[in-house]
Amino acid sequence: GENVEQHPSTLSVQEGDSAVIKCTYSDSASNYFPWYKQELGKRPQLIIDIRSNVGEKKDQRIAVTLNKTAKHFSLHITETQPEDSAVYFCAAGPTSGTYKYIFGTGTRLKVLA
Amino acid sequence: GAGVSQSPSNKVTEKGKDVELRCDPISGHTALYWYRQSLGQGLEFLIYFQGNSAPDKSGLPSDRFSAERTGGSVSTLTIQRTQQEDSAVYLCASRSSGGETQYFGPGTRLLVL
Repeated sequence: GENVEQHPSTLSVQEGDSAVIKCTYSDSASNYFPWYKQELGKRPQLIIDIRSNVGEKKDQRIAVTLNKTAKHFSLHITETQPEDSAVYFCAAGPTSGTYKYIFGTGTRLKVLA
Repeated sequence: GAGVSQSPSNKVTEKGKDVELRCDPISGHTALYWYRQSLGQGLEFLIYFQGNSAPDKSGLPSDRFSAERTGGSVSTLTIQRTQQEDSAVYLCASRSSGGETQYFGPGTRLLVL
C-alpha cells in the first residue's frame, strides 16, 4: 500500500545550526507535499507545502525541496531557534483514485540553547 | 475566523464502554478527515468524507469504529466496546473543495482504563 517514510525520528541541533528532515513516498500519483509542525499538546499546523510542478520553495528560514523522480522531499530549517522545537510531520497525497494523504511518522526536533 | 473544533478535549472511559467524539469543521469545508495519533506515533488515517459522496472507510481498524457526518458539516466518530489499545489522540481535519491543505482540530485525548 501507500507509504511515507520519514527520517530521522529524533534530531537534536544547537541553536543557530540547520536541521534537515527527509521523507520518501511510494505513490507516484501524489502531487502535494505539506509539512506540519506539532508542538506538545497542540494541533498540527501547516508550515510549508510544495506541489509537484515545483522543485523548491522557501519561506524565510524554512525551505522544502522535492525530487519527483526519486520520490524524495525534504524540509530544511536554517538558523534554528528554541521555538522550532516540536514534532514535524511530512505528508504526501492524494493517493491514486482517492483524496487520502499519507503522513510520515514524525521527527522530534530539539533545538538546544 | 473559527477553526476546526473538537469535543470533548479529554475523555476517560472504562473498557467496554462506547464513546462518541465530535468534530466541527471550518464552515464551508466539504472534506473532513479523522486520524488517530497514538503516543509518540504518526497520524493514522481512519476515515474521509467528501460532500455527499460515500465515505472512504478504508482506515477504520475494526468494525467497532464508525463515523457519520450529518448535513455535510458536523461529524461524529463512535467507538463501541472500547479497548485499552484505543487510547490515543483522535484528530479531525477539514479541507475546502478544490483546496489541498488540511486544517486540524485540537484533538480529543481518549484514555480507556
